[in-house]
Amino acid sequence: GIQVEQSPPDLILQEGANSTLRCNFSDSVNNLQWFHQNPWGQLINLFYIPSGTKQNGRLSATTVATERYSLLYISSSQTTDSGVYFCAVPYVGNYQLIWGAGTKLIIKP
Amino acid sequence: DGGITQSPKYLFRKEGQNVTLSCEQNLNHDAMYWYRQDPGQGLRLIYYSQIVNDFQKGDIAEGYSVSREKKESFPLTVTSAQKNPTAFYLCASSPLAGDPNEQFFGPGTRLTVL
Repeated sequence: GIQVEQSPPDLILQEGANSTLRCNFSDSVNNLQWFHQNPWGQLINLFYIPSGTKQNGRLSATTVATERYSLLYISSSQTTDSGVYFCAVPYVGNYQLIWGAGTKLIIKP
Repeated sequence: DGGITQSPKYLFRKEGQNVTLSCEQNLNHDAMYWYRQDPGQGLRLIYYSQIVNDFQKGDIAEGYSVSREKKESFPLTVTSAQKNPTAFYLCASSPLAGDPNEQFFGPGTRLTVL
């Protein structure tokens, strides 16, 4: 089955810094989602991005499907950006999502 | 507001008891899902349902049961057969049953077995 790997596993930054999180997947996918899990556990949808680039405020994502990776960019980090960022791709032919292990981001004031 | 609600937020259970976690959505989504998350880990699929009165086991269905009598509701029962039920449980839904697509999540229920 498809393997999903995220890097780095942990990232500690000062407020105002920029960051890039990476998601590699081992086979072709027809969609990819990025989520932010806040410290209270809520999973928030960030991007649904099978290919190309999308932007939402300080966050943007790029998926290069042919090279099997996706990048999540966070600019001008704020303490509220802290949490765990997951990427997930679907199994082909069913409804399960295959999850990466996540990147834990800590933004220090 | 449209969304997914889960209740209760926190749940404590004695060993040997069954408990039922509620998940309701008013997004008119066809598919619904239950996930389990252990501390510091990713999500694992317990059960999913594409349409009313139908559901399939995920990777870790043993010790759990579900029902889908209404489109908007997908309750999860954690039975006494589940050996290590303490975890964070997340419910999700997605708009189209026939296509694996964007999933949206509720706020979760933290279950603790005493």
